[in-house]
Amino acid sequence: DTAVSQTPKYLVTQMGNDKSIKCEQNLGHDTMYWYKQDSKKFLKIMFSYNNKELIINETVPNRFSPKSPDKAHLNLHINSLELGDSAVYFCASSPGQGLGTEAFFGQGTRLTVV
Amino acid sequence: DAKTTQPTSMDCAEGRAANLPCNHSTISGNEYVYWYRQIHSQGPQYIIHGLKNNETNEMASLIITEDRKSSTLILPHATLRDTAVYYCIVRVGSDYKLSFGAGTTVTVRA
Repeated sequence: DTAVSQTPKYLVTQMGNDKSIKCEQNLGHDTMYWYKQDSKKFLKIMFSYNNKELIINETVPNRFSPKSPDKAHLNLHINSLELGDSAVYFCASSPGQGLGTEAFFGQGTRLTVV
Repeated sequence: DAKTTQPTSMDCAEGRAANLPCNHSTISGNEYVYWYRQIHSQGPQYIIHGLKNNETNEMASLIITEDRKSSTLILPHATLRDTAVYYCIVRVGSDYKLSFGAGTTVTVRA
């Protein structure tokens, strides 16, 4: 079973469209994250949720709206897509705080905005 | 979080030990050293972490200097599948966030 699964794996869309990326974890973790990896390969945290509550929002444009219906899911909705949104988006989960809180990452969603 | 400094890239021969250095001279007493790696086109993968003592698991060993200002990740017998970008990260245990730097691109050659 995949621990952290994201769908879709690839997404090609036009500027101005609205799209969603789904993420599910079956590890029973309390904390979930969204990271963005741009063309320069830097991984930057976007959001973090703990037990469905937003705890980190790294000054991401409000066109990006995470939604956590339960602690096993953290979806990312993006409105009015722009060319600069093209990147690989990674979902991750971890038990929460403290020791042994290593994060498990999904395989990524490659978003291409044309 | 304390800043880390890693070499941009390094090569390693297959079957040999790979020693990956990381400097974290401003690390605080409550910050842990974590190592992750990212194999091409995959999500980052946790390797190991430690506070003061050296640590070993099935993937690697982590050697932390006594003053904690630097550490070395050791892959004991590198294989071609170990070719990846390796990230050294320091963070407080209670912090939810992992902040990734540029990492070290390790290429294992046959």
